[in-house]
Amino acid sequence: DGGITQSPKYLFRKEGQNVTLSCEQNLNHDAMYWYRQDPGQGLRLIYYSQIVNDFQKGDIAEGYSVSREKKESFPLTVTSAQKNPTAFYLCASGWPGRSPEAFFGQGTRLTVV
Amino acid sequence: EDQVTQSPEALRLQEGESSSLNCSYTVSGLRGLFWYRQDPGKGPEFLFTLYSAGEEKEKERLKATLTKKESFLHITAPKPEDSATYLCAVQVQGGSEKLVFGKGTKLTVNP
Repeated sequence: DGGITQSPKYLFRKEGQNVTLSCEQNLNHDAMYWYRQDPGQGLRLIYYSQIVNDFQKGDIAEGYSVSREKKESFPLTVTSAQKNPTAFYLCASGWPGRSPEAFFGQGTRLTVV
Repeated sequence: EDQVTQSPEALRLQEGESSSLNCSYTVSGLRGLFWYRQDPGKGPEFLFTLYSAGEEKEKERLKATLTKKESFLHITAPKPEDSATYLCAVQVQGGSEKLVFGKGTKLTVNP
């Protein structure tokens, strides 16, 4: 099945720890994105990547890091520098050169305990 | 600043009671406007892309329309399974590839 797979679905982190969220896609999409969703707010862009080994900061990149070593994978690391990391994290992918739609994974809910 | 505003924040309908959701936008130039459906605890599901004023798209009980300032998502004779949060997003011409999202409209359809 083609799609975007995020893992794990639920993640608990202690304060001061780094944690990495996984995102894999087998749709052969060029671009991949990370968004954060908080109650009562619209989705906000953390990082995006249009090609392998290249990525750009979004609106709320502070306290996060990413890598794009393979076309299929775009992991997000939430570092201890992120002051309020508890949120629902969504990975998306698309073909911006062909059509502007982005398609989303099922999300990872991160809770800091 | 590019902005997307959705209204109402929440909408309760009886099964079969048609209505519309609104998405108004302020952008320097519109590349595309998108509607998504999101169920609780799930990722958004893509519904429609609209590119220019006057364009319409339909899928089952849903119909999306676009003007120069806003988009409407019309729901005809809704069923309880249409209950979800509907998200509107825009992509700006000449900018980055990011989507600017509204906060969503939570739709509840009672049987």
